[in-house]
Amino acid sequence: DADVTQTPRNRITKTGKRIMLECSQTKGHDRMYWYRQDPGLGLRLIYYSFDVKDINKGEISDGYSVSRQAQAKFSLSLESAIPNQTALYFCATSDSRQGSYGYTFGSGTRLTVV
Amino acid sequence: AQSVTQPDIHITVSEGASLELRCNYSYGATPYLFWYVQSPGQGLQLLLKYFSGDTLVQGIKGFEAEFKRSQSSFNLRKPSVHWSDAAEYFCAVGGYSSASKIIFGSGTRLSIRP
Repeated sequence: DADVTQTPRNRITKTGKRIMLECSQTKGHDRMYWYRQDPGLGLRLIYYSFDVKDINKGEISDGYSVSRQAQAKFSLSLESAIPNQTALYFCATSDSRQGSYGYTFGSGTRLTVV
Repeated sequence: AQSVTQPDIHITVSEGASLELRCNYSYGATPYLFWYVQSPGQGLQLLLKYFSGDTLVQGIKGFEAEFKRSQSSFNLRKPSVHWSDAAEYFCAVGGYSSASKIIFGSGTRLSIRP
């Protein structure tokens, strides 16, 4: 099994619908992140969590919310999806004892909003 | 402000030729530098990382990168590319503070000419 698992792998949804992307990890890492990848823009940080009770906005958090249900689970929600949220979404984890190195990425969720 | 610049959006090289992908960064503290590769339809895989010490860093798949503090650069090189190296490459910067996160460049897409 993968260390960081994202579900679903692919999703097509309609404008205005609520959708949740899920991420679970078996690395035992305390930190989790959600990034969004768009062509030509690289990866941009949406939200991050340094522990279960610590949630922080990244550079592009508008239109998104997150929930850290447990140390191993970090979900990203789009309350009312819009077409410009069509992108590839990555979850990542890291160990606070290692600073910013040791990121482990999931395989990504490709979301299309029509 | 912290940032990473990858000036080349798309590069095409012939199989067997040498490769250099450019990366420049801006970071207020001692940077930790990374190169990631993303093969089509895949997540991100760490190629190599630099924290301190020898400024020439060896990575997986025959890649290396050189940290040049005076030029704020961390260019990725490979002496002879293979068709399987076709992918997107991301340079990233982070730090070791407890609040540190990784910032990614916009990526360079590498195509291999047979």
